[in-house]
Amino acid sequence: KAGVTQTPRYLIKTRGQQVTLSCSPISGHRSVSWYQQTPGQGLQFLFEYFSETQRNKGNFPGRFSGRQFSNSRSEMNVSTLELGDSALYLCASSFRDGGDGYTFGSGTRLTVV
Amino acid sequence: DAKTTQPPSMDCAEGRAANLPCNHSTISGNEYVYWYRQIHSQGPQYIIHGLKNNETNEMASLIITEDRKSSTLILPHATLRDTAVYYCIVKTSYDKVIFGPGTSLSVIP
Repeated sequence: KAGVTQTPRYLIKTRGQQVTLSCSPISGHRSVSWYQQTPGQGLQFLFEYFSETQRNKGNFPGRFSGRQFSNSRSEMNVSTLELGDSALYLCASSFRDGGDGYTFGSGTRLTVV
Repeated sequence: DAKTTQPPSMDCAEGRAANLPCNHSTISGNEYVYWYRQIHSQGPQYIIHGLKNNETNEMASLIITEDRKSSTLILPHATLRDTAVYYCIVKTSYDKVIFGPGTSLSVIP
């Protein structure tokens, strides 16, 4: 079966712009989580959605937001980009609550210049 | 913050068993132990999880001590493709996943 699909794979944006990243979970999975990975901070949890509702949220500023659609696909948005937002953004999906483990996508590599 | 402590790095000879330790002394009764790994430039990969019994699947075995304060992930016959960062995570079913720095395992030919 198809895995977790993230688009685009690579993105270059300018400081001050905004960006939207997309994640399509595995078919039947209803939970989608987002992570930011940087060399300095490692893997950091952004937020998790389940059935279109945000269930958990990490410690990121309000510039980072997300949503989940009725088909479980999710998007995350970062407004007013800063150089420090350059990172690998990873999406993970699970059937319900991650109890049986999350499946991660390959990520979107965002570079802010 | 991560609720686990892992050594920052380990080496293992190819073909030998790799035993990766994890301390989780503050684990509570409804928290599971999960292991993920991340091969360079890829998304993390789920390996195995357990509550209190030892678990085995096609990838690895998980040994949890009786007091549940520590665990060991065992890769029975390590290959070069097992070189990765291994993350030990403690969480309930509904908790968010918090990754620590993990253990960087190098499998040496």
